[in-house]
Amino acid sequence: DTGVSQDPRHKITKRGQNVTFRCDPISEHNRLYWYRQTLGQGPEFLTYFQNEAQLEKSRLLSDRFSAERPKGSFSTLEIQRTEQGDSAMYLCASSLVGGQPQHFGDGTRLSIL
Amino acid sequence: GDSVTQMEGPVTLSEEACLTINCTYTATGYPSLFWYVQYPGEGLQLLLKATKADDKGSNKGFEATYRKETTSFHLEKGSVQVSDSAVYFCALIGDSNYQLIWGAGTKLIIKP
Repeated sequence: DTGVSQDPRHKITKRGQNVTFRCDPISEHNRLYWYRQTLGQGPEFLTYFQNEAQLEKSRLLSDRFSAERPKGSFSTLEIQRTEQGDSAMYLCASSLVGGQPQHFGDGTRLSIL
Repeated sequence: GDSVTQMEGPVTLSEEACLTINCTYTATGYPSLFWYVQYPGEGLQLLLKATKADDKGSNKGFEATYRKETTSFHLEKGSVQVSDSAVYFCALIGDSNYQLIWGAGTKLIIKP
């Protein structure tokens, strides 16, 4: 069990640029989740996958955000035309099945200049 | 909708003191309850869980009991250490079966 890994750990970019984050879940886990966390707050749910199918998206996930999990293994989260308000920690988690504990990676911290 | 309320921090204690961080929830059905811990600069780690009423989750000296009658899941530890300094989050998964609902987090500071 190597845990959930996220890449990069930190991303600094200029407003208007596109960014992509990667998440590698625990290998036998079917479910993969994306959350966003701002300073001093609990995480906010963004979206989740069951294998390669994206089953739910939060209203927080604007049209500028897109997530994929093409082969049911790793996932990518892309933000197009970044805005100042996108600055946050983006967390990925995975679980074996629904309702089971979700195991988190260390997150990708995004800073928009 | 479902929600989690936990005591505001920061909570500052001396080493070896007793700890209680209060957590109450609102949910339909029978949620699963969790405590996660976040150390500075790190991601969230599952600390303990309970899936049904009267279950007690425990790990690393921390305990929490699922109390359905009071809709509570308070985190307790008998003797805290400096290394316990972190932010603690109470969370639940309800009927949705996928979305963790989080409290705002409680920052714990332990002084030697």
